[in-house]
Amino acid sequence: TQLLEQSPQFLSIQEGENLTVYCNSSSVFSSLQWYRQEPGEGPVLLVTVVTGGEVKKLKRLTFQFGDARKDSSLHITAAQPGDTGLYLCAGGSNYKLTFGKGTLLTVNP
Amino acid sequence: DTGVSQDPRHKITKRGQNVTFRCDPISEHNRLYWYRQTLGQGPEFLTYFQNEAQLEKSRLLSDRFSAERPKGSFSTLEIQRTEQGDSAMYLCASTSGGGTDTQYFGPGTRLTVL
Repeated sequence: TQLLEQSPQFLSIQEGENLTVYCNSSSVFSSLQWYRQEPGEGPVLLVTVVTGGEVKKLKRLTFQFGDARKDSSLHITAAQPGDTGLYLCAGGSNYKLTFGKGTLLTVNP
Repeated sequence: DTGVSQDPRHKITKRGQNVTFRCDPISEHNRLYWYRQTLGQGPEFLTYFQNEAQLEKSRLLSDRFSAERPKGSFSTLEIQRTEQGDSAMYLCASTSGGGTDTQYFGPGTRLTVL
């Protein structure tokens, strides 16, 4: 069974702070996706990474895929209240996604 | 491209009733997925289709659950004799395939079983 562990589970910070959330697994994935989910809505895709060691930047968000394709991190610079939400990582393998439980981020103004 | 749509967005039903949800994937996406998400958890895989063929079902999908995709476009998920434990968000996702497994999700159907 493939498992993805996300940490921290909860994170509450002030506007303007930087943060990093982590996604770790003992399994190798062919790809890894990060999603953001707001209450009562479906997950919205942020990024897909497929190559070990890959780094992708999306404005203030930086995503890294581990060299061994087992782990990933998401770094947010100068967080804003609009970044508040549940951040989910999902590992892709054999046409299916395995999700972590998510990191619930609250950015206070 | 209007994205993945799901209907209804919310459903409240009494225990023992049957419910059916619909998902319309992004047009020309050949793979369609159903997930279930409960509070404090990430989405859990239920089943997926490639075109009209149902290729895999999770152990989570009991005999009371059935999914169809008759023409390889929209899909339905039916739950018979609902139980309170079925209360969850039911999510649909689709993908065009290829090597990245990237899936695009709909807004979900929130089911509450009283």
